[in-house]
Order: sequence, then structure tokens, then C-alpha cells
Amino acid sequence: TQLLEQSPQFLSIQEGENLTVYCNSSSVFSSLQWYRQEPGEGPVLLVTVVTGGEVKKLKRLTFQFGDARKDSSLHITAAQPGDTGLYLCAGALTNNNDMRFGAGTRLTVKP
Amino acid sequence: DAGITQSPRHKVTETGTPVTLRCHQTENHRYMYWYRQDPGHGLRLIHYSYGVKDTDKGEVSDGYSVSRSKTEDFLLTLESATSSQTSVYFCAISVAGNYGYTFGSGTRLTVV
Repeated sequence: TQLLEQSPQFLSIQEGENLTVYCNSSSVFSSLQWYRQEPGEGPVLLVTVVTGGEVKKLKRLTFQFGDARKDSSLHITAAQPGDTGLYLCAGALTNNNDMRFGAGTRLTVKP
Repeated sequence: DAGITQSPRHKVTETGTPVTLRCHQTENHRYMYWYRQDPGHGLRLIHYSYGVKDTDKGEVSDGYSVSRSKTEDFLLTLESATSSQTSVYFCAISVAGNYGYTFGSGTRLTVV
């Protein structure tokens, strides 16, 4: 059982649609990060959130950290084919070097 | 220039042989990590280092050892490779864990 559960596992949408992916846990995290990974490459950091209730925006991407610091969501507005990839959430437990990753949401945006 | 490089990028080895993967950074970051990525499991921490000669175990450390004799290099050794260690291995670096990681491009290891 994953400490961080991501949903949905797979998502296929048309260009221009909006979407939200979720990252849930029963554990409390001191910080939570979102990464995007493309085939054959390592994950690339998108954002770090540290305060319960925090909302961060990165162009068309909006990240929210739950009030209790147990969950997070990523919302993409007007998705583009360039958004295609594997989106991973990762939470830092008490030891900031013990970063736990979810299994990811694989997003495909069709032109 | 990439701040973190992994070598080799691909390796096929036989069961029972020792294997060493190398991670090299040019960022002078204190923290370095080794993860493995498997379908359905995501990324799982094997070992990490918080300084030269300072290392600690992660979630899936059995069968693996690490060494860090210089700030820039972090080696992962499979003492006696098994088929269950077939995976993609990623190295990551960080100023501090909660600031986010920079990952290398990975090493695809196949144990036959």
C-alpha cells in the first residue's frame, strides 16, 4: 500500500480541457512537492508547498496543499499536449530526507 | 550542462554479480539520494547521504550499499544482483530535502 495515493492513475483528455489530479494520505507531511516526469528522464520539480491551505500557481497549473497537510491537488487549466507526462506527488515526513512518492498520474493530452 | 549525471545509462548484468552505479554532481549540494522506480510502486528511497561519509538507509535498502568519499560522487552498489533488483535507478540531489530534488536521467538496470 502506497503512503501517498494518487488518482486517477491514468487520464486522457482533449486539448483545452481542464483537469484535476489528487494526492491523498492519512499521514501528515511537513512539505509536499509535485514533479512531472517524461519518458526516459528523471522527474522535474514543479512546486513545493509547505503550509496547510497553501495555494500556488504556476502559469496554468494551480497547486493546493490541504489544511491538515495530508493531501494535495493539482489543477490544470486549458491543457495542452505539452502537459503530457507522469505527474508525481511526494511528501516529506518528519525527517525531511524521507521523501515518499506516490505512484503517479499519467496524463495524455490529445491535440 | 547537467548538474547531475548518472552512469551508466543502461546495464545488463547476470544474477549474483556485483554492480556499481555512479552519480556525479557539480552543484556542491550536501544531500544525495538513490531511488528505484518500478511500475505501480513509484519512486522508493534506497539510501541517502547528508555529507561525505555520512549515509543512512531508506525504505528499501536491503541488498544495497552506498559510499560517498567526495561531495560530488555517490555510489550505489548491488552486492550480488538479483532479478528483483531489475529497475530504473535515479539519483537526486538537494540543498535540503524540503526544498525539492533535482534528479538525474536514470540508469536502467536489467538483471538476467
